[in-house]
Amino acid sequence: NAGVMQNPRHLVRRRGQEARLRCSPMKGHSHVYWYRQLPEEGLKFMVYLQKENIIDESGMPKERFSAEFPKEGPSILRIQQVVRGDSAAYFCASSPGTGTKNIQYFGAGTRLSVL
Amino acid sequence: QQQVKQSPQSLIVQKGGISIINCAYENTAFDYFPWYQQFPGKGPALLIAIRPDVSEKKEGRFTISFNKSAKQFSLHIMDSQPGDSATYFCAASDSGNQFYFGTGTSLTVIP
Repeated sequence: NAGVMQNPRHLVRRRGQEARLRCSPMKGHSHVYWYRQLPEEGLKFMVYLQKENIIDESGMPKERFSAEFPKEGPSILRIQQVVRGDSAAYFCASSPGTGTKNIQYFGAGTRLSVL
Repeated sequence: QQQVKQSPQSLIVQKGGISIINCAYENTAFDYFPWYQQFPGKGPALLIAIRPDVSEKKEGRFTISFNKSAKQFSLHIMDSQPGDSATYFCAASDSGNQFYFGTGTSLTVIP
């Protein structure tokens, strides 16, 4: 049973370009969470999605960031017009359910570097 | 506002010693407290977790102690090994969507 798969592992973008980060949840998991980790800091919640729905995006910056989890395919975190401050590790987690079943398993992350 | 406060920021322990990492929270609605272990370049891996109906949970060399009245919980690593050297994060959830993470503790176990 493959774990949470994220790609790419490393992504380099120049300021103003777009970054697309992909996440395939564990088999049987329909709940996906995106987190951002800055150096020397913990993980900060960004967004929670179920298939085709954004459930909670309270941690997502209002501009330039968007997320989706289509019926088919991986979840995508999209950052438009990247700036240097977007450089961070972005982690995706999946869980089999909510409430007491909200046990989150993390992928290896995508490390975004903005030049 | 940091929902979960974690200390110490870094910890150095001799091989065979006990590593202790502490976390405190304010929100009494939290009802799930996991600990994650993260190695450099890797994602956080679930290590052990506890719910507030018990005061202690042990899995191998790892133990969570939970003090509901003090709103504190801690991770104890017995017989610490160099392979335990990693960053440890505590987290808390209210069975909702969000996990609130501590800022992490960098543990170094020296031979």
